[in-house]
Amino acid sequence: NAGVMQNPRHLVRRRGQEARLRCSPMKGHSHVYWYRQLPEEGLKFMVYLQKENIIDESGMPKERFSAEFPKEGPSILRIQQVVRGDSAAYFCASSLSSTGRMYEQYFGPGTRLTVT
Amino acid sequence: TQLLEQSPQFLSIQEGENLTVYCNSSSVFSSLQWYRQEPGEGPVLLVTVVTGGEVKKLKRLTFQFGDARKDSSLHITAAQPGDTGLYLCYNNNDMRFGAGTRLTVKP
Repeated sequence: NAGVMQNPRHLVRRRGQEARLRCSPMKGHSHVYWYRQLPEEGLKFMVYLQKENIIDESGMPKERFSAEFPKEGPSILRIQQVVRGDSAAYFCASSLSSTGRMYEQYFGPGTRLTVT
Repeated sequence: TQLLEQSPQFLSIQEGENLTVYCNSSSVFSSLQWYRQEPGEGPVLLVTVVTGGEVKKLKRLTFQFGDARKDSSLHITAAQPGDTGLYLCYNNNDMRFGAGTRLTVKP
């Protein structure tokens, strides 16, 4: 039973380029969450999605960042025109449901984005 | 937004010592989770607590949920170097993590 998968594990982009981060949830999970972690800091919530729907994007920066979770395929976090401040580890988590103990989230290994 | 505070921020101890870390909230949790994160990895779920006064044990780790469901503690007995990591509490209400306690256990 494969866990949450993220790719790439490491991504280097120059300022102004686009970064696309992918997350495949655990089998059977239809809820996906994205978090950002700056060096030596905790994780900050960005967005919560179900299949084809954004449920909560209160943690997403207003510009340049977008997320999707299509009916087929992985969830994508997209960062346009990256800047040095976007350098961070981006973690994806998935859960079976959004209620009760099925809300427990399981995390992927993260994508480490470096903007040069 | 429910404020989530963890203490201490850093903790460095010798192998074999006991320790307790804390997670406190400005309001009631519906449920709370504890995670451990090792360098370069994603957080790993340790436990979920739901009921006020609940105590759960996971080998040398004991988790308590306050009666009023506004605080929780994690106690580690006879810490080992393998316990080193960032311990995070998580509030299901608004999908927020605390800033974490960074634990180092020296051999």
